[in-house]
Amino acid sequence: DQQVKQNSPSLSVQEGRISILNCDYTNSMFDYFLWYKKYPAEGPTFLISISSIKDKNEDGRFTVFLNKSAKHLSLHIVPSQPGDSAVYFCAASGVYGGSQGNLIFGKGTKLSVKP
Amino acid sequence: DVKVTQSSRYLVKRTGEKVFLECVQDMDHENMFWYRQDPGLGLRLIYFSYDVKMKEKGDIPEGYSVSREKKERFSLILESASTNQTSMYLCASSSPTGIGHQPQHFGYGTRLSIL
Repeated sequence: DQQVKQNSPSLSVQEGRISILNCDYTNSMFDYFLWYKKYPAEGPTFLISISSIKDKNEDGRFTVFLNKSAKHLSLHIVPSQPGDSAVYFCAASGVYGGSQGNLIFGKGTKLSVKP
Repeated sequence: DVKVTQSSRYLVKRTGEKVFLECVQDMDHENMFWYRQDPGLGLRLIYFSYDVKMKEKGDIPEGYSVSREKKERFSLILESASTNQTSMYLCASSSPTGIGHQPQHFGYGTRLSIL
């Protein structure tokens, strides 16, 4: 049973436009959420995170929004650049996932930003 | 910057061989993790460790074992390699959540092929 779901396997966006990547979770005990970016043949790179006490966190072109009532988070990238083309993983952590940093990952969304 | 180093980027082994994947981190992190990543399946946790000589099973431990003799080093062992263990293997480390939620930092990964 998937606790963290990324329902879109892929997303294609034009350079300069906004990219919105979505993630849903089922476990209300999750209290920390992260986004990772992964290029082929490399390990995931931590991008941005948000605690459940917030509903928004911003870092440069990247903003993560958390809607706890809907158990939904999203990553906005504005403006999108060709170098953003990668697979993006959503991850969650909380009491259920282990008390010492265990993460539950979604299956990823492949973002393609076209020039 | 956190550095997580995996001993090999690419590795080819034969069925039945005993395979060792090594991971070293330089940030004095207590927590270390081994994942495998397969297309369409995301990252799946194999084993993790919260401290030296401690280990815990993740979601898919069958066919694997681990060793943590030193804080900075976490080894993944394939006892008798099989073709279904062909995958990308990712090592990660993090600080304990006792000081607040911390992201995991990943190595570049080892692309392992079992022939």
